[in-house]
Amino acid sequence: DIQMTQSPSSLSASVGDRVTISCRASQSISSYLNWYQQKPGKAPKLLIYAASSLQSEVPSRFSGRGSGTDFTLTISTLQPEDFATYYCQQSYSTPQLTFGGGTKVEIK
Amino acid sequence: EVQLVESGGGLVQPGGSLRLSCAASGFTVSSNYMTWVRQAPGKGLERVSVIYSGGSTYYADSVKGRFTISRDNSKNTLYLQMNSLRAEDTAVYYCARLSVSYGYYYMDVWGKGTTVTVSS
Repeated sequence: DIQMTQSPSSLSASVGDRVTISCRASQSISSYLNWYQQKPGKAPKLLIYAASSLQSEVPSRFSGRGSGTDFTLTISTLQPEDFATYYCQQSYSTPQLTFGGGTKVEIK
Repeated sequence: EVQLVESGGGLVQPGGSLRLSCAASGFTVSSNYMTWVRQAPGKGLERVSVIYSGGSTYYADSVKGRFTISRDNSKNTLYLQMNSLRAEDTAVYYCARLSVSYGYYYMDVWGKGTTVTVSS
């Protein structure tokens, strides 16, 4: 099975900061990588699919890069509503669809 | 409006059973791939089960043989029958639509979740 490892597990940042979250796959997954945002008590929300394709109505300050085993999610200018937990997910091996452990973005 | 609404969660004793429902609107369940994803308290996301439009089903090893995913086309509803429940099945259960574009799969529509608590 493909394992997904996110780093860091949590980070503190201020409004206006540039934030980057990493996700590593245990084997090459090409560009089969999704990113989700989850706020407390809410369902996850799809941000990016296919490593870099922005889901409809997601702000352009979110961007994704990478291929193979290493991927990043970047928030160019952190907004108050972006404080949440972010998960990566591989879709190379379906139906496993493994999630990473999550990265919690907290207010500094 | 495209929407998923889960129901059926609750408190159940270890060894008991529960059936979760996920009613869809704005799209047809049988024409799409559908999934159940769960999240234990304070933990991350775990894909529990998938049903493809053709009817093929897949399960996480942790629930194989105990859970069954199904759908009722007339009601446009997805189900998860959970038997032999264990304490470690305690979680919020989400249903989600698994869409595909140019071979890339992603969960683009989610319900709000229903809570299952397994405890004596």
